[in-house]
Formats: sequence, structure tokens, C-alpha cells
Amino acid sequence: QSVLTQPPSVSGAPGQRVSISCTGSSSNIGAGYDVHWYQQVPGTAPKLLISGNTNRPSGVPDRFSGSRSGASASLAITGLLAEDEADYYCLSYDNSLSSSRVFGTGTKVTVL
Amino acid sequence: EVQLVQSGAEVRKPGESLKISCKASGYRYSNYWIVWVRQMPGKGLEWMGIIHPADSDTRYSPSFQGHVTIGVDKSINTAYLQWSSVKASDTATYYCARHLTLSGAFDYWGQGTPVSVSS
Repeated sequence: QSVLTQPPSVSGAPGQRVSISCTGSSSNIGAGYDVHWYQQVPGTAPKLLISGNTNRPSGVPDRFSGSRSGASASLAITGLLAEDEADYYCLSYDNSLSSSRVFGTGTKVTVL
Repeated sequence: EVQLVQSGAEVRKPGESLKISCKASGYRYSNYWIVWVRQMPGKGLEWMGIIHPADSDTRYSPSFQGHVTIGVDKSINTAYLQWSSVKASDTATYYCARHLTLSGAFDYWGQGTPVSVSS
């Protein structure tokens, strides 16, 4: 089971703002390790949305933003679009496990 | 253009061996680690392990240590994931991805290789 906890689902109407949390502990996010976020449309490979807590790779709309505080991180999506309906995962490093990168449990975003 | 192209879908019976591949292009292969990620049907992403093409330094998630072997052939820019004896519980889609050394993010991903194990 993952050491990074996300809400199973969030939803919002088009144009609204939604936020996804990623809660860790003192051996991962709380230890200062960077958090990265991925979007996965079912049946396709994950896509990097946010790297290093807050950085958007080229081509990712500025509707997506990331933050980190303490042992948690968050991904916010503003101006929600139908195409944002997907699964979202956080990723970090955990120093309690051998060289382990760890994914969050995943969050399904539904656009109402 | 950076690309990771994985081998095609596989079907095996329990106890059979399996090797899937991930061929990279568009960048200096030996400069970046490659990771493998499992996604079981309807489930989330799981980090399996990581390998450095320059020296084949390999690390495994404790959950996968001893169950799979990760390898690389840097002469053809290809990483491998292999099983000596698959089980039904190995049914999943497997992704490879490039690991950014500084940030730790996985920036480019392969398209995934579906593996089905059934008697």
C-alpha cells in the first residue's frame, strides 16, 4: 500500500477550481523531498504535469499549479475543462525504503 | 524528440518466462536513469525499480525485489524487465519512463506493455 494518501475522487463543474491533496510523512514529503504530479487518461500513459513541487513542464497549461507545505502537497486545477477528467497521481521519494520512489494512491477527477 | 517505445502486448501461462523491452531515442541514453512502473487492472501506479544505463546500477522497490529483473543494453539504448516464472498476479500494464536526475521526476514515458497471465 502507498505511503502517500490522496482522496479517491474529487469533482467540479466546468470552470470551477478543484484541489487534490497528497499527504505523506516525515520520511517522504515531510523530509523535504520534491513532489511531482501526473495526469493519466484511462488507457494511456501518465503525463508529467508538475515537477519539483511547483514547476510546469513546457506545454502544460497554467490552469495547473502545485504547492507543498510540511508533509503534504497539493495540485490545483482552475477553470476546469471536460478534458481534465482523468486520474491524478503524486510521486515523491521515501527514505524509509530502499531507494524507493513512491506514488500516491491516485485521485479520479470528474467534471460534472 | 525524446521517445520511449515499448514492446507489444504479451500473453503467458503461469510458470513461463517473459522479457519486455523499452527502447529510447532522441537523447544521450547513458545520462538518465530508466524506471519501471506497474499498473494492475483498475489500480494505481507502483514504482518497481530503476537502472542507470551507463553502469547498470540497479535498485528495486522492496515489493518487487526478487520477483523481477531489470536490465539494460546501452549499445542499443534498450532497457528490459524480465520474469523467470510469471504468476497470474503479474497481469498488469508495465510502463518505462526516463528519470530526471536533479528533480527526480519521470518526464517521458513509454506507451505501456500489457501483460496477461492466465492458464
